[in-house]
Amino acid sequence: GAVVSQHPSRVICKSGTSVKIECRSLDFQATTMFWYRQFPKQSLMLMATSNEGSKATYEQGVEKDKFLINHASLTLSTLTVTSAHPEDSSFYICSAPKEVGSGDPTDTQYFGPGTRLTVL
Amino acid sequence: GQNIDQPTEMTATEGAIVQINCTYQTSGFNGLFWYQQHAGEAPTFLSYNVLDGLEEKGRFSSFLSRSKGYSYLLLKELQMKDSASYLCAVITDSWGKFQFGAGTQVVVTP
Repeated sequence: GAVVSQHPSRVICKSGTSVKIECRSLDFQATTMFWYRQFPKQSLMLMATSNEGSKATYEQGVEKDKFLINHASLTLSTLTVTSAHPEDSSFYICSAPKEVGSGDPTDTQYFGPGTRLTVL
Repeated sequence: GQNIDQPTEMTATEGAIVQINCTYQTSGFNGLFWYQQHAGEAPTFLSYNVLDGLEEKGRFSSFLSRSKGYSYLLLKELQMKDSASYLCAVITDSWGKFQFGAGTQVVVTP
């Protein structure tokens, strides 16, 4: 079954509003989570590293004031897209490193199912 | 900077073999992964290489040459369900922080 969940799976919002996306680890603790963005027919681009109890680390070119990340507990990271615009429409995916000793040792990440954001 | 290159699209017939090449130039290297991704879904893990050589997993095999900055994913006995995007990804530093290639869209025809 799914070990990382995301909510919502799809969201449509008006331009200028804020949208929150949740990423939860199920039955395991994740001190670190990663947020990716994927535009149509393009690859996953790492946006930021979410660290439990401390500030997120953003990749170059990602506006930290626009993409707010909060990792308030060991099982939950949230990404808030503030003042969303149509160019923010994308597929957002989170991932969390696997626990040592669980399953195939070479498969190191649990990916969430993704959130499709459409900004009108 | 980081650079991971793979072809945009490949087409092959059901039952055939397809090889997807990936070349990389990254500031660090802690392993190379191949993922399969269907549209609108999360990536699915296929293989991992950190040492030179070939890793085989059923119908899928992956090869790595670190000195050449080169990897390939080999898909044998292609099935229609193999139609998907295949992503080459390198871990460059901290465990779990990937740099992804743009993906290769494989189209399997009857």
